[in-house]
Amino acid sequence: AQSVTQLDSQVPVFEEAPVELRCNYSSSVSVYLFWYVQYPNQGLQLLLKYLSGSTLVKGINGFEAEFNKSQTSFHLRKPSVHISDTAEYFCACIYGGSQGNLIFGKGTKLSVKP
Amino acid sequence: DSGVTQTPKHLITATGQRVTLRCSPRSGDLSVYWYQQSLDQGLQFLIQYYNGEERAKGNILERFSAQQFPDLHSELNLSSLELGDSALYFCASSVGDAYSYEQYFGPGTRLTVT
Repeated sequence: AQSVTQLDSQVPVFEEAPVELRCNYSSSVSVYLFWYVQYPNQGLQLLLKYLSGSTLVKGINGFEAEFNKSQTSFHLRKPSVHISDTAEYFCACIYGGSQGNLIFGKGTKLSVKP
Repeated sequence: DSGVTQTPKHLITATGQRVTLRCSPRSGDLSVYWYQQSLDQGLQFLIQYYNGEERAKGNILERFSAQQFPDLHSELNLSSLELGDSALYFCASSVGDAYSYEQYFGPGTRLTVT
């Protein structure tokens, strides 16, 4: 079955440090990739998406991600995090041939400490 | 604020009961998706409607059903509720029904089955 794996359930970092949240998908057929953020008691907000073209995708709030087809990965990065980035981050994909329904990873809780 | 509204925000009910969750998509969006977020299963796609018609089905139980009305709002009906149905239920909407259209998520309805 198609799936998305987020390797880290929790990532603690200090403010202004760089961070990478890891995501791997299960298939190398056509795939469209997304990162969502969920702040406490809120719905999900799209950070960025990769549909085609340049493998380096820039999103909101200074986040970026790189699509790596050979490693079936789509890791999320930010060079310097803020306290306000504390949230849960979900990697998701839509596999080619399906409708627009998203398949989500289990999520990574990012905790930014002062 | 994504523009997607969900009611009620919280719902507490007993096993065996039936509930209805309501979603109003963003103005102009034709597609509605329902997702379930639980501690056990994470975020899972349930069902998608596009302009009143069912488009895709995910891991939706037979006890659950949904519909999209002519005014494009959607309802998710959950019957014969079990303890394991306790979860956060999200609705999302998009302009179209394909992967390229961003899905905007509502704040969710938290269902507690006692």
